[in-house]
Amino acid sequence: SQKIEQNSEALNIQEGKTATLTCNYTNYSPAYLQWYRQDPGRGPVFLLLIRENEKEKRKERLKVTFDTTLKQSLFHITASQPADSATYLCALSYSSASKIIFGSGTRLSIRP
Amino acid sequence: GAGVSQSPRYKVAKRGQDVALRCDPISGHVSLFWYQQALGQGPEFLTYFQNEAQLDKSGLPSDRFFAERPEGSVSTLKIQRTQQEDSAVYLCASRSTGQTLQETQYFGPGTRLLVL
Repeated sequence: SQKIEQNSEALNIQEGKTATLTCNYTNYSPAYLQWYRQDPGRGPVFLLLIRENEKEKRKERLKVTFDTTLKQSLFHITASQPADSATYLCALSYSSASKIIFGSGTRLSIRP
Repeated sequence: GAGVSQSPRYKVAKRGQDVALRCDPISGHVSLFWYQQALGQGPEFLTYFQNEAQLDKSGLPSDRFFAERPEGSVSTLKIQRTQQEDSAVYLCASRSTGQTLQETQYFGPGTRLLVL
């Protein structure tokens, strides 16, 4: 079955630096890869979606890359701010399926 | 309402008790999903509705779990004879169309279930 690996340890970054989070998956590549943000006590919030034929997607300070050879996605937050502190979830989905498979998330902490 | 709402937000149940969790999706949204999220883990898919039809229930962990969406809007997740391992946050999400994953899923705040 498909497995998704995200850094289980929290990532601590100095404000203003670029935070980079990693998502690795096994088996076959998904049609879509998504990143979500989750704050304590809240549901996940969608951030970005990237398709298997796309290498990179940007939205404001966010950038996502998708390397189907390495079976990896990288999620970057540039000019990080304390308000970016949250858990970030990677999720995979396939064109013929309706469900999303989530990773366990990486907790990001931006210190002032 | 502006977003997905869930009730109750917190539920404490004694082992063996039945519980019902409610989800109000965004008005007009066709697709509705239920997920289970254990502490420190990502959400795990339970079941999916397109309007009133339950198209995928492969994630339901046992026959104690039952979900319905009789009129294609509000959905209820029922857990019978709750066990301690059922303790988790139950998330509901909705999406505007039935198109697979082309569009965003909007999540509710979740119901935190604690089984004693």
